[in-house]
Amino acid sequence: DIQMTQSPSSLSASVGDRVTITCRASQGIGNNLGWYQQKPGKAPKSLIYAASSLQSGVSSKFSGSGSGTDFTLTISSLQPEDSATYYCQQYNSYPVTFGGGTKVEI
Amino acid sequence: EVQLVESGGGLVQPGGSLRLSCAASGFTFSDHYMDWVRQAPGKGLEWVGRIRNKANSYTTKYAASVQGRFSISRDDSKNSLYLQMNSLETDDTAVYHCARVSGNYVLDFWGQGTLVTVSS
Repeated sequence: DIQMTQSPSSLSASVGDRVTITCRASQGIGNNLGWYQQKPGKAPKSLIYAASSLQSGVSSKFSGSGSGTDFTLTISSLQPEDSATYYCQQYNSYPVTFGGGTKVEI
Repeated sequence: EVQLVESGGGLVQPGGSLRLSCAASGFTFSDHYMDWVRQAPGKGLEWVGRIRNKANSYTTKYAASVQGRFSISRDDSKNSLYLQMNSLETDDTAVYHCARVSGNYVLDFWGQGTLVTVSS
């Protein structure tokens, strides 16, 4: 199975900060990576697909980059509503696997 | 508007069975692969399994942790997805979400989930 390792596991930042979350795959996955946002008690929301493509309707302050084994999610200007847990997910091969999550606090 | 609504969760004893349902609306259900993903209390997301569409023979894939115990099915005429869970263990306690698989293979829409508690 492909292991997805996110870092940091949590972070605290201020309104307006630029925040970067890292996701590393245990083997190459091309660009077959998605990013999700989950707020407490809510369903996850898809932000990014194919490592860097923004999901329809998602704010352009979210951006993704990377390929192979190393990926990043960047939030360009952190706002209070961005407080959430963020997960990466590989869909290059079965089983589909998620990173452990990064909790972002404002 | 895409909607996915899960039901069927509840309290079940270890070794018991439960069947979850997911009612889909707002899109052509039969076109899409569908997944189940679970989240244990206070934990991260764990993929449970997938069912492909008719064009791909409704084939299924499962996580190793549920292989042989869980079974995913669908009824395209009812726009419904199912998860049959047998031989339940305490570690199966989680909120179970159904999710639509997009053409890009990400899970682009999720239901709110239904809580399954396995306890004696």
